[in-house]
Amino acid sequence: DGGITQSPKYLFRKEGQNVTLSCEQNLNHDAMYWYRQDPGQGLRLIYYSQIVNDFQKGDIAEGYSVSREKKESFPLTVTSAQKNPTAFYLCASKLAGGYNEQFFGPGTRLTVL
Amino acid sequence: GQQVMQIPQYQHVQEGEDFTTYCNSSTTLSNIQWYKQRPGGHPVFLIQLVKSGEVKKQKRLTFQFGEAKKNSSLHITATQTTDVGTYFCAGGLSNTGKLIFGQGTTLQVKP
Repeated sequence: DGGITQSPKYLFRKEGQNVTLSCEQNLNHDAMYWYRQDPGQGLRLIYYSQIVNDFQKGDIAEGYSVSREKKESFPLTVTSAQKNPTAFYLCASKLAGGYNEQFFGPGTRLTVL
Repeated sequence: GQQVMQIPQYQHVQEGEDFTTYCNSSTTLSNIQWYKQRPGGHPVFLIQLVKSGEVKKQKRLTFQFGEAKKNSSLHITATQTTDVGTYFCAGGLSNTGKLIFGQGTTLQVKP
């Protein structure tokens, strides 16, 4: 089955620790995205990548880092510099070109204690 | 920066009533997409509008894109309990590969 996967579904970390969220897709999509979802605020773009080995900051990139070494994978690291990391994180991918729909993974709910 | 405002934030309706959510952008959009997120789930693509003044229908759902390509609406006729969820509009900006999401409208339907 083709799709986009995120793991784990739930993640708990202590304050001050970095944590990496996984995102993998086998849809052969060129572009991949990370969003953060908080109640009442919709989806806010953290980072996106349109091709391998290249990525751009979104609207709320501070405290986050990404890599895009493979087309299928776009991991997101939430660093200790992120002031309010507890949130629901969604990864998405799509074919190249501006008018294609985004396919979302199931999300990872991160709680920092 | 560019923003897409979506209203209302919440809407409670009786089953069978109609429902509408509206999006307004501060800038002209190249296209607009609509997504639905069921409770506990992830956003799923519903439809895309590209042309000025475009109207598209999917069964009981009607989507419109404004003439100036700055606003859009989703109208559901005769809501059903299966319509429950959060509806997001997402505006596309030319040549950026990005979407700007509205805050979403959460629809509750009372049977």
